[in-house]
Amino acid sequence: AQKVTQAQTEISVVEKEDVTLDCVYETRDTTYYLFWYKQPPSGELVFLIRRNSFDEQNEISGRYSWNFQKSTSSFNFTITASQVVDSAVYFCALCSGNTGKLIFGQGTTLQVKP
Amino acid sequence: DGGITQSPKYLFRKEGQNVTLSCEQNLNHDAMYWYRQDPGQGLRLIYYSQIVNDFQKGDIAEGYSVSREKKESFPLTVTSAQKNPTAFYLCASREAVHPYNEQFFGPGTRLTVL
Repeated sequence: AQKVTQAQTEISVVEKEDVTLDCVYETRDTTYYLFWYKQPPSGELVFLIRRNSFDEQNEISGRYSWNFQKSTSSFNFTITASQVVDSAVYFCALCSGNTGKLIFGQGTTLQVKP
Repeated sequence: DGGITQSPKYLFRKEGQNVTLSCEQNLNHDAMYWYRQDPGQGLRLIYYSQIVNDFQKGDIAEGYSVSREKKESFPLTVTSAQKNPTAFYLCASREAVHPYNEQFFGPGTRLTVL
């Protein structure tokens, strides 16, 4: 069975703090992709990153960074120097097979206070 | 501007009524998806279509129906058989050349059953 777990339901930080959002996945497939999406209060999901199962290099994009570790089946997301505009629900998702179906985690609500 | 439009943004339905949610994309994507989001939960797949005139059930298809007569349109009908239809509905599309391409999401429709 395929599953994505985001154990942190809600996180609250003060602006400029660093914050890490955890994502643990389960799959028996050897080829798969992992995604992170952001859902601001408007509701529309915004794509942040895609990572394939053969590439364990960490990725950095501005204040965002992602740590992919196959040994622990984790794909964690860190926001450095958080800002109020980072407040949103963040989803981790898993995709394998040829249908493009995404398996989503429950989401983590991040609140960044000024 | 290319993108996905969903209408209406808010929809109210009386019990026993069928309602249809619209999803249109001008991204020339072959694959389209419907997800349901409940408070505090991740997105769950209702139906998906990888090509015109073909579609498959997702994880929670009971009480829903779809059609895919045109590449750019993928309407979702919530029937009276759906026992708890109040939710936020998101439509997405994806280039079908590669199954792991990211999905692009519309702004969503919030359905409330009165």
